Amino acid sequence: DVKVTQSSRYLVKRTGEKVFLECVQDMDHENMFWYRQDPGLGLRLIYFSYDVKMKEKGDIPEGYSVSREKKERFSLILESASTNQTSMYLCASSLGLAGLRGTDTQYFGPGTRLTVL
Amino acid sequence: SQQGEEDPQALSIQEGENATMNCSYKTSINNLQWYRQNSGRGLVHLILIRSNEREKHSGRLRVTLDTSKKSSSLLITASRAADTASYFCATGPLGTYKYIFGTGTRLKVLA
Repeated sequence: DVKVTQSSRYLVKRTGEKVFLECVQDMDHENMFWYRQDPGLGLRLIYFSYDVKMKEKGDIPEGYSVSREKKERFSLILESASTNQTSMYLCASSLGLAGLRGTDTQYFGPGTRLTVL
Repeated sequence: SQQGEEDPQALSIQEGENATMNCSYKTSINNLQWYRQNSGRGLVHLILIRSNEREKHSGRLRVTLDTSKKSSSLLITASRAADTASYFCATGPLGTYKYIFGTGTRLKVLA
């Protein structure tokens, strides 16, 4: 089975801190995604990566950056955390792409609940 | 409004009853998927239906897709307390890499 792991389940940070959220998948998937999930808003895509060192902005990239130095690892970086970034962050990976290859299930990590004080 | 909106927002049923939830979307899609999320956890893939399919079964799950109405339904038969979770549909619009998720249906199955 595909396993997607995230570095922390719960994280508390202070405003202005630089925050790193790590995600690792073990199935050699090309594509990795970062979402945030907020009540009433569903999942919103922050960034997407389709290959090592390749990234695309999602719907809400402001205040975030990403890094993908190795295929299995995709990091989300909050350059200067703010209280409105308090949220649940979900990482996912997939072999193919939603509307382009048609197969493709996303596999999710357990999530990181980030609180910014 | 969002692509992939689930209806109802919340549903409460007795164990053994069937649960039906619906999803509407706006653009042409390649496929539609349903996911489950237990409280405070990640999403788990349940079932995928392609745009050229009308119905699909997996265990106690039945998914239908009506591309003319841009809608899908998920039926869980003989529900169990363990089915208590939020259920999301996700669409893969044609020509894009994105999966677009709805806001989910919260299902509560009472023992």
